[in-house]
Amino acid sequence: KQEVTQIPAALSVPEGENLVLNCSFTDSAIYNLQWFRQDPGKGLTSLLLIQSSQREQTSGRLNASLDKSSGRSTLYIAASQPGDSATYLCAASTGANSKLTFGKGITLSVRP
Amino acid sequence: GAGVSQSPSNKVTEKGKDVELRCDPISGHTALYWYRQSLGQGLEFLIYFQGNSAPDKSGLPSDRFSAERTGGSVSTLTIQRTQQEDSAVYLCASSTTGVLSTDTQYFGPGTRLTVL
Repeated sequence: KQEVTQIPAALSVPEGENLVLNCSFTDSAIYNLQWFRQDPGKGLTSLLLIQSSQREQTSGRLNASLDKSSGRSTLYIAASQPGDSATYLCAASTGANSKLTFGKGITLSVRP
Repeated sequence: GAGVSQSPSNKVTEKGKDVELRCDPISGHTALYWYRQSLGQGLEFLIYFQGNSAPDKSGLPSDRFSAERTGGSVSTLTIQRTQQEDSAVYLCASSTTGVLSTDTQYFGPGTRLTVL
């Protein structure tokens, strides 16, 4: 059974810092690894999807990497801004139906 | 529509009542998923639809939970004889095929269910 872990549960940084959010998973037989953002009281917004055959994906100030052999993914946020404050969830897609197994998320606070 | 929509956005019910939650996926998406997000458990998979059939119901927590999808589009999640532990946010997602590694799942805003 796939298990996804995100540590720490919360992170507070000053504006402008580059930061790395970690995600680990137990079953390397994944289809893809997805990172989502969730704002309070809202649904999930997809940030990046890394296919199992890929090593990384980039979108603007975000870069996500995937190391299947070690069961790890990282989300790198460059030059953090207060608007980046949200909960970031990673999810591993497994099985024939691509259902997602989620970590519990990291709540990020970027201080002005 | 432009995205996944869900209704109602909030639902308060009394213990023992039945509730229906609705999801409208992105037009043309054949795959549809229901997840539940609760404080203690995080986000958990409930059920997957491919077209109108549900090949994976493994996440439904009890036989009080059921779901259907009609016309390859709208889906309804029904919870019978609600219990307080059913209180959570129920999220719906859809994707293009559900079988490609490139498929992103797009989520709706969720329905917040409170069982008194």
